[in-house]
Amino acid sequence: NAGVTQTPKFRVLKTGQSMTLLCAQDMNHEYMYWYRQDPGMGLRLIHYSVGEGTTAKGEVPDGYNVSRLKKQNFLLGLESAAPSQTSVYFCASIRGGSHLRDRGRNTEAFFGQGTRLTVV
Amino acid sequence: AQSVTQPDIHITVSEGASLELRCNYSYGATPYLFWYVQSPGQGLQLLLKYFSGDTLVQGIKGFEAEFKRSQSSFNLRKPSVHWSDAAEYFCAVGVIKAAGNKLTFGGGTRVLVKP
Repeated sequence: NAGVTQTPKFRVLKTGQSMTLLCAQDMNHEYMYWYRQDPGMGLRLIHYSVGEGTTAKGEVPDGYNVSRLKKQNFLLGLESAAPSQTSVYFCASIRGGSHLRDRGRNTEAFFGQGTRLTVV
Repeated sequence: AQSVTQPDIHITVSEGASLELRCNYSYGATPYLFWYVQSPGQGLQLLLKYFSGDTLVQGIKGFEAEFKRSQSSFNLRKPSVHWSDAAEYFCAVGVIKAAGNKLTFGGGTRVLVKP
């Protein structure tokens, strides 16, 4: 099992360029998330998905779009990159579901290794 | 809405000394609590978790955490720190909602270990 895999690991973009970050998980998890991590601010939720074909906004969604066409993949797009989007991006997946017996396990997150993005 | 506060941004500790990282949460229902560690340049690794039952939970790398409902706290401890424990530590609360399960993180505490 690879777990959660993010590609690419590093990228440098010029202002105004576009790119897509890919997150893939092989654990059949329902929920997937994109976070950004900035110094002193912890992890902030950008967008998330509760299942194939669904997406929702998190805390800091502006400037990003997402798609979940397949259950195992969650794509994060930057249409027109800005220097403020320089960050480390993490994808996470959670098994999901609300069965009483497994409630705690249904909130445990598994993370990718991160993508370091620099916008110049 | 749930929230997590880690009051200490940085902590410096000598190798071999004990370590305690504070975490306070705000959530109206049963919290599911986690501690993650992030080594420099790496992703997040789960240290330990609290779902229910015994309020003192053991994790990997010699860490433990104690859930105190009356104080809304979930502090992380290690009796004797090793140089390899230098990292950033994140406390998180997991909630289950109809709109989807979510994990909310604190701002993190960076631990520096002195020789």
